[in-house]
This record gives sequence, C-alpha cells and structure tokens, in this order.
Amino acid sequence: GAVVSQHPSWVICKSGTSVKIECRSLDFQATTMFWYRQFPKQSLMLMATSNEGSKATYEQGVEKDKFLINHASLTLSTLTVTSAHPEDSSFYICSAKYGPSNTEAFFGQGTRLTVV
Amino acid sequence: GQQVMQIPQYQHVQEGEDFTTYCNSSTTLSNIQWYKQRPGGHPVFLIQLVKSGEVKKQKRLTFQFGEAKKNSSLHITATQTTDVGTYFCAGIMNAGKSTFGDGTTLTVKP
Repeated sequence: GAVVSQHPSWVICKSGTSVKIECRSLDFQATTMFWYRQFPKQSLMLMATSNEGSKATYEQGVEKDKFLINHASLTLSTLTVTSAHPEDSSFYICSAKYGPSNTEAFFGQGTRLTVV
Repeated sequence: GQQVMQIPQYQHVQEGEDFTTYCNSSTTLSNIQWYKQRPGGHPVFLIQLVKSGEVKKQKRLTFQFGEAKKNSSLHITATQTTDVGTYFCAGIMNAGKSTFGDGTTLTVKP
C-alpha cells in the first residue's frame, strides 16, 4: 500500500508552547488528509478534514484556533497544537487518501504528544 | 450525527478459538472499512465492503456487510497469537467521511 509518514513520532513540550506535526504522503498525491486524536484504549476521533489548497473542515467541538491545520500541497499537511496544555496530551494520527471519497485511507505512524 | 457502535469492546480467546466482532451504524452506509491496530502501532487497512450482503474472505478472516448496509462483522477462524490487536470498523457515508467504531481488542492466549 501507499506510505504516509508522520513526524515526529513523539514529542514532549512545555505547557503554553506550540507543537507542529507533519503528515506526508510519500508516493502518492493526497487529495484529502484527515487528522484524528486517539486517547488510550479508545477509538479514533476525527478532528478535521483537510483538502489541498482549501481551509480545513473541523468536527464539532474541535477548536480551529487551537488546532491549526495547513494543507499546502498534495503531499503535506500539518497540524499545529497551539498553546498546548496537559489535557492536549494524546496520540494524534493522520491519514491520507486520493481519488474518490470512498477509497482506502492510509495512516501515518502517529505522534504521541505529552504536554508537561 | 452518525454513530458507529462496535461490540464487544474486549475479547479474550484461547489460541485456536474463533473470534467475531460486530459493527452497527445508526445510518445506512456507502461502504465500510476494517482496520487492525497492533499495540503501539497505527491502524492498517484490512478491507473495504461496498455491496449490500457482500462477503469477502482473507485467509482466516471473513468480512460481511449486511443487506441493509448498516451492519458488518469480522470473523477470524482459529485465532493465532499474531491476530492480537484492536480491530476497528469505519463506516463511510456518501460524503466520504469516516466514522470509526470504538474497536474490539483481541487478546489470544497461546
């Protein structure tokens, strides 16, 4: 299958600072990228849907000013957690797909964020 | 909004026993996908079901999509220790948005 690379794999940051997570599709052009958040032993909760060149669509309850998403190219989307707090500590995963809306999504390795 | 419920939450089996996880959507789906996530890993795509009543097999895994396209199941025959992980279903609406079930975590005793 196609490869999606997510960086960094883990990050520890101080409360109040911002953290940027990158999601790259390495061998295909991703028309759509998704950002999920996963708490321990829980499911993936969709945070936002990102289409290249347009503003991200955020799910209800997700603060767009806190979780900034940029999808500048067909191979790169970034999620920036601004003014991070301990409750933002979580596992963040991106996925990317190309083609029709019902095609398979390829997931990145995920980023473990710990805010201290 | 759309809800996707998955049961059971946990399943512990002896190696060689069968395993089934069920997924139910509150709304009719365009298609459904199944993923496996190993401990500490990321979800890996297993299969997609599109047609009403569709049944697909991958070696010991059998996937079914209900006639009403609102439910699905994953059945593993004769589990092995390599089958451990959390299995998620993801219901896809016509708009293309995926809603994941809560997952079923499978542990296998050797």
